[in-house]
Amino acid sequence: NAGVTQTPKFRVLKTGQSMTLLCAQDMNHEYMYWYRQDPGMGLRLIHYSVGEGTTAKGEVPDGYNVSRLKKQNFLLGLESAAPSQTSVYFCASSSAGLYRWSYEQYFGPGTRLTVT
Amino acid sequence: TQLLEQSPQFLSIQEGENLTVYCNSSSVFSSLQWYRQEPGEGPVLLVTVVTGGEVKKLKRLTFQFGDARKDSSLHITAAQPGDTGLYLCAGASAPAGGTSYGKLTFGQGTILTVHP
Repeated sequence: NAGVTQTPKFRVLKTGQSMTLLCAQDMNHEYMYWYRQDPGMGLRLIHYSVGEGTTAKGEVPDGYNVSRLKKQNFLLGLESAAPSQTSVYFCASSSAGLYRWSYEQYFGPGTRLTVT
Repeated sequence: TQLLEQSPQFLSIQEGENLTVYCNSSSVFSSLQWYRQEPGEGPVLLVTVVTGGEVKKLKRLTFQFGDARKDSSLHITAAQPGDTGLYLCAGASAPAGGTSYGKLTFGQGTILTVHP
């Protein structure tokens, strides 16, 4: 099993350009998440999905869009990149958890995005 | 909004020393997880605690969940350079009107450096 994979691993964008980050999981998990991680800020939830065809806003959704057309994939889009979106982006997936409602998360290796 | 405060934010110690990381909140969680993240990688789950007062041990790591399920601690005995990394706590809540469904609340992390 590959677990959670993310594409690409690195990307440099100019301000105003667009791109899509792809996350794929092979664990048949219902829940998927996109986080950004900045120095000193921990993990901040951007958007998440509780099932195929559903998405919801997280803590910092502005400037991002997502889609979950297939259960195993979760796409994060940046329509017009800004320097403030320079960050490391992590995708994660979970089931309802090892314990009831514990939602243990399995993370991908991350995408390092730089916007100049 | 649920918050998890981790302390200390930074910890730099010598090999062989003991240390404790704290995770505190004013909110009650149904379970609490600890993750470890190494540079350039995604966080990896270490443990889930679900019962107030619960203590779990993972080799030299001891995790405790507070009696009221609002706080947790991670104690490392005889730290080794391989313990170096970012430690994150994360709390899960049972579904309540859909506002916390499927999400974790992450602390801002503790960066641990163990010097040989």
